[in-house]
Amino acid sequence: GAGVSQSPSNKVTEKGKDVELRCDPISGHTALYWYRQSLGQGLEFLIYFQGNSAPDKSGLPSDRFSAERTGGSVSTLTIQRTQQEDSAVYLCASSLVGGRGYTFGSGTRLTVV
Amino acid sequence: GNSVTQMEGPVTLSEEAFLTINCTYTATGYPSLFWYVQYPGEGLQLLLKATKADDKGSNKGFEATYRKETTSFHLEKGSVQVSDSAVYFCALSDGSGGATNKLIFGTGTLLAVQP
Repeated sequence: GAGVSQSPSNKVTEKGKDVELRCDPISGHTALYWYRQSLGQGLEFLIYFQGNSAPDKSGLPSDRFSAERTGGSVSTLTIQRTQQEDSAVYLCASSLVGGRGYTFGSGTRLTVV
Repeated sequence: GNSVTQMEGPVTLSEEAFLTINCTYTATGYPSLFWYVQYPGEGLQLLLKATKADDKGSNKGFEATYRKETTSFHLEKGSVQVSDSAVYFCALSDGSGGATNKLIFGTGTLLAVQP
């Protein structure tokens, strides 16, 4: 597609429920990143996919967070047993070569009540 | 580890004022440096970048120079407009041979320009 598409744009969930956030990167972009933007915080790196290489999961804050990328394209970020501190905007970005010329999606605003 | 520190906001200026947003970094190797901008209700967009020491990135009247000696990448604009009101993020790429080449961001600086 023309840009990075994320869905849903907004998600309100009850504490303890699982949520899935979707990212559809720009066609042909081999690198895909997930970041989290919390109120008053910068962008926190979560996970990085590059081609067929093993993903860099070093930023995932706990084992409740996981992500997969199917067929080298669409990615899903899953948060299990959501907590209120998980409330944030989750941003996805893709690029042709890792670390250069990121294109960001508009994000998913997650609110855990 | 690598990190980015930028001045806290909000920064409030009158239209046509001079803007500086400070950014300093800590990194091993030779990272690339970036400024991203997030306009209200929109996603992050790349504003400018510099890939080596003494490079100057520029776009839309904004400039930033990669200063290795002071480990800085300050953002400047000579005359701001109301339409420049946004959150500005300084970032570096972990590209010094690291496996990830992920971007490390500062906390962002909110700029509010008043007419």
